[in-house]
Amino acid sequence: ETGVTQTPRHLVMGMTNKKSLKCEQHLGHNAMYWYKQSAKKPLELMFVYNFKEQTENNSVPSRFSPECPNSSHLFLHLHTLQPEDSALYLCASSQVTYNEQFFGPGTRLTVL
Amino acid sequence: GENVGLHLPTLSVQEGDNSIINCAYSNSASDYFIWYKQESGKGPQFIIDIRSNMDKRQGQRVTVLLNKTVKHLSLQIAATQPGDSAVYFCAENHSGGDDKIIFGKGTRLHILP
Repeated sequence: ETGVTQTPRHLVMGMTNKKSLKCEQHLGHNAMYWYKQSAKKPLELMFVYNFKEQTENNSVPSRFSPECPNSSHLFLHLHTLQPEDSALYLCASSQVTYNEQFFGPGTRLTVL
Repeated sequence: GENVGLHLPTLSVQEGDNSIINCAYSNSASDYFIWYKQESGKGPQFIIDIRSNMDKRQGQRVTVLLNKTVKHLSLQIAATQPGDSAVYFCAENHSGGDDKIIFGKGTRLHILP
């Protein structure tokens, strides 16, 4: 088991719902990431936070809103999602940006 | 990252044999490369990394080879075991440039008994 936890592990939501994904890392890392993993596509980097500051927003639609209140916690707020947003959302952390990343188990999101 | 089609390439290897998984990366300026392993139902797990000032790096039962001339990366797994069954994917990073990370799509390693 890694030092990165994610909740919930599974989430089903309608297109009009608002929900949040939570990530917590117990490794003392400075950088945290959100990724989207879809079938038939490579892992897509969504957001990067370094020392609580957002350093990367990879052209992600505004219906995804990240929040990093401290270097151990990362949230992904979801609203008015589309069915094509259904995917596995992975959180990761690392000591140095983009170096050896530790991933959480992911949240399997289904948008109906 | 890898330029692959819509399906995941699969490599089938006999248990005990060596496995070689290949990756073609896209940016000649990339200077840091990582291999990850993802087992079913789990998040990716770091295996080994290499910087562009090296062409080979060894870990426990794994070796990564980097050929910058042809922009090719490979992961060699010695004496493949059933626990090695997973999807393996490479990632590239250009730390001095726009500092993005790009992941390949992955190769599924299937171990034959």
